[in-house]
Amino acid sequence: DAKTTQPPSMDCAEGRAANLPCNHSTISGNEYVYWYRQIHSQGPQYIIHGLKNNETNEMASLIITEDRKSSTLILPHATLRDTAVYYCIVRVNLRDTGTASKLTFGTGTRLQVTL
Amino acid sequence: GAVVSQHPSWVICKSGTSVKIECRSLDFQATTMFWYRQFPKQSLMLMATSNEGSKATYEQGVEKDKFLINHASLTLSTLTVTSAHPEDSSFYICSARTFLTGELFFGEGSRLTVL
Repeated sequence: DAKTTQPPSMDCAEGRAANLPCNHSTISGNEYVYWYRQIHSQGPQYIIHGLKNNETNEMASLIITEDRKSSTLILPHATLRDTAVYYCIVRVNLRDTGTASKLTFGTGTRLQVTL
Repeated sequence: GAVVSQHPSWVICKSGTSVKIECRSLDFQATTMFWYRQFPKQSLMLMATSNEGSKATYEQGVEKDKFLINHASLTLSTLTVTSAHPEDSSFYICSARTFLTGELFFGEGSRLTVL
């Protein structure tokens, strides 16, 4: 799977948009961009994923650049409960089975939402 | 969303004893399950991939005789830490891949403390 680079930490004021960047310059054509987050002492939680088009769901928006070498996760109105470590992961198609479907976690971005 | 449950959520044991952690997919069938280990302030490290009815595939550096993984059914995988020592104290997390859609869901994690 392609390697990703994220800033180690970010701060965001509550109510403001949190924009978390991720670089994945070696991404392959069949690799998706996934975002997970991990709140302290809990298992990772799926947020969103995409291939090349921008995606939006009830939690966040994912903006992928046209060359697919970077992406940004946007939490439109951050709350204190969004304080967590956010992981950007690239991996192959969901349909791949066995070891090919594994997720490899990097160091992520620790987002601190403040009052 | 799909639910993955781990049990126990925390366990304290004496050095030299064995500890079993269960990972269950509660509302879906999981052909593949993954086990991760996470030390404080570090990212998740994949330990092994288990496929239902076959032997687990271990990542490099993970002792298969120490970390026994059994995936006997489509809804249950177990990780047994044999002859646990204080350095095995960690947060153990499982994830399960749905058979139908290929999505991955994570358990809440199990915190092991070896005295």
